[in-house]
Amino acid sequence: GAVVSQHPSWVICKSGTSVKIECRSLDFQATTMFWYRQFPKKSLMLMATSNEGSKATYEQGVEKDKFLINHASLTLSTLTVTSAHPEDSSFYICSVEGTITEAFFGQGTRLTVV
Amino acid sequence: GIQVEQSPPDLILQEGANSTLRCNFSDSVNNLQWFHQNPWGQLINLFYIPSGTKQNGRLSATTVATERYSLLYISSSQTTDSGVYFCAVDGSSNTGKLIFGQGTTLQVKP
Repeated sequence: GAVVSQHPSWVICKSGTSVKIECRSLDFQATTMFWYRQFPKKSLMLMATSNEGSKATYEQGVEKDKFLINHASLTLSTLTVTSAHPEDSSFYICSVEGTITEAFFGQGTRLTVV
Repeated sequence: GIQVEQSPPDLILQEGANSTLRCNFSDSVNNLQWFHQNPWGQLINLFYIPSGTKQNGRLSATTVATERYSLLYISSSQTTDSGVYFCAVDGSSNTGKLIFGQGTTLQVKP
């Protein structure tokens, strides 16, 4: 299966600042990656589809200007939370789809905005 | 869109007991996966099982696609099995987007 590395594992930032989260596919060239968000004690919700070389596709209700996604290479997608606020505090996790449509996830990033 | 329902929401077991977790889905799926989320949040792939039966050690899974459900069996449970188990599906349009159930929180007591 695909090996996916996410960085950082956790981050604390001040309100109003921006935070960048990286998702790397270490052994698989991924034209598509996915970003999910998980609130405490809740399930995972898809935020957006990251497409290599083109614009990301956002799910309904997700602010594209708040959550900037860049997929500049076949192995790296980044999610930038802009002008972060406490309500953006959450667990963010990315995935890559392998050769048989099985999804593999990174370790996740726990964001706390203070 | 597809609805995914998992049951039970919570489960407490004594070490050594067996359990069955269920996942119902409302439409045809191209992909169905079971995950175990550990205390650090990482999703561990358990099974990729859009249909049929698979076994891996003490765990096994069965998906009956025609009846739109999947079962995850845990035998001889251990405390390390504790955590949240998620079922996730991708619809027949095969977009790669996973829809997750609400999860089953399992606690195995020593």
